[in-house]
Formats: sequence, C-alpha cells, structure tokens
Amino acid sequence: NAGVTQTPKFRVLKTGQSMTLLCAQDMNHEYMYWYRQDPGMGLRLIHYSVGEGTTAKGEVPDGYNVSRLKKQNFLLGLESAAPSQTSVYFCASSYSPGTGFIEQYFGPGTRLTVT
Amino acid sequence: GQQVMQIPQYQHVQEGEDFTTYCNSSTTLSNIQWYKQRPGGHPVFLIQLVKSGEVKKQKRLTFQFGEAKKNSSLHITATQTTDVGTYFCAGLGNTPLVFGKGTRLSVIA
Repeated sequence: NAGVTQTPKFRVLKTGQSMTLLCAQDMNHEYMYWYRQDPGMGLRLIHYSVGEGTTAKGEVPDGYNVSRLKKQNFLLGLESAAPSQTSVYFCASSYSPGTGFIEQYFGPGTRLTVT
Repeated sequence: GQQVMQIPQYQHVQEGEDFTTYCNSSTTLSNIQWYKQRPGGHPVFLIQLVKSGEVKKQKRLTFQFGEAKKNSSLHITATQTTDVGTYFCAGLGNTPLVFGKGTRLSVIA
C-alpha cells in the first residue's frame, strides 16, 4: 500500500500561471481533503470531497478549484497563481465519519512557490 | 464558524522535563483528534477521543477530553529528543475537522 501520494513534490510558478496538484489514495477512502499549511497558521482546509463526483468548500477556497472524477483521485487546481498561494499543500483521506474510523491519512505534501 | 485554539504556540524543554499542550474549541465537539508532525514531514494521527472526560495513554503520552467536550490536552512525561515536532489537535463538530494552529515542541538534550 502506497497510502496517500502527491505529485509534484515541489513546484515554482510565476504569477498568473496555472497548475494542477494530483492526490491519489489506495485505501478505498470515501473522504478526501486538500489543506494548505503556512508558518504559524496550522492546517487550513481548502476543499474536500465526501465521495466520487462531489466536492465542497472549506475554510479558504478562493483561488482554487477541485475535481473528484475517480474515487481514488482528488485534484487541486490553481487557475491563476498568486504569491499569496505560496504554501505547502497537503492532501489527506479518510473513511466516512459514520464508520467511527475518521483518522486522516496525509500525503507527503507539495511545496509550491509563486514568484 | 467553529474555531479551535491551541496553546502554547512554542515550547522549549530540557530533555526529561514534562510538556503539555492545551486545545479549546468554541463549540461542543463530537470528538477530538491529535496529530504529530515531525520537522519537514506530514501530520500523522496519534489518537482520537470521543467520550466526555475520556483519558487515554500511549506510553509517555496522556490525552484528555474535557467533561464539556470543548477542551483537550496532551501531556508528555519525561520528554525525549524523539518527541520533537509540532502537535496539532483537530476537532470534529458540525463542520469538517478543524485543526488548531499547533504547538511546536523543541527538546534540548
């Protein structure tokens, strides 16, 4: 089991460029999440998905879009990158809360710099 | 919206000293989780507390959930250099999991 994987690991963008971050999990989890982590700010939820074909906004969704076309994949898109989006991005997945097992499994992260 | 506050933000201890981090929610939680993130790593799940007043232990780590299910604490006895990292609490209420900002623990050998 690879768990949760993220590609790419590092990326440098220029302001206005676009990119897609890919998250994949092999644990058959229903729920998937995208977070950003900035110094002193903890983990802030961008978007999440409770199942294939569904997405919902989190705490800081502006400037990002997501898609969950397949259960195992969750994509995070930046249409027009801004320096304020410089951050470390973590993807996570979990079973649905109704199972009682709701620990989140995190990927290794993507370090994005926007110049 | 739901907020989770965590204190202190930083803690520096001598190896062998005890360490405690506290977590407070603005709303009643259905459960609370604790995660550890090593420097340069990703958050890793430690434990989940569900019941009011619950206390759980993992070796030198003791986790408590308050009677009102709005606060929690993590206590580490006799810290070791392997305890270095940032400890996050995360509360589950009516919204998806909300993380505190974390407590960064440094251990001086």
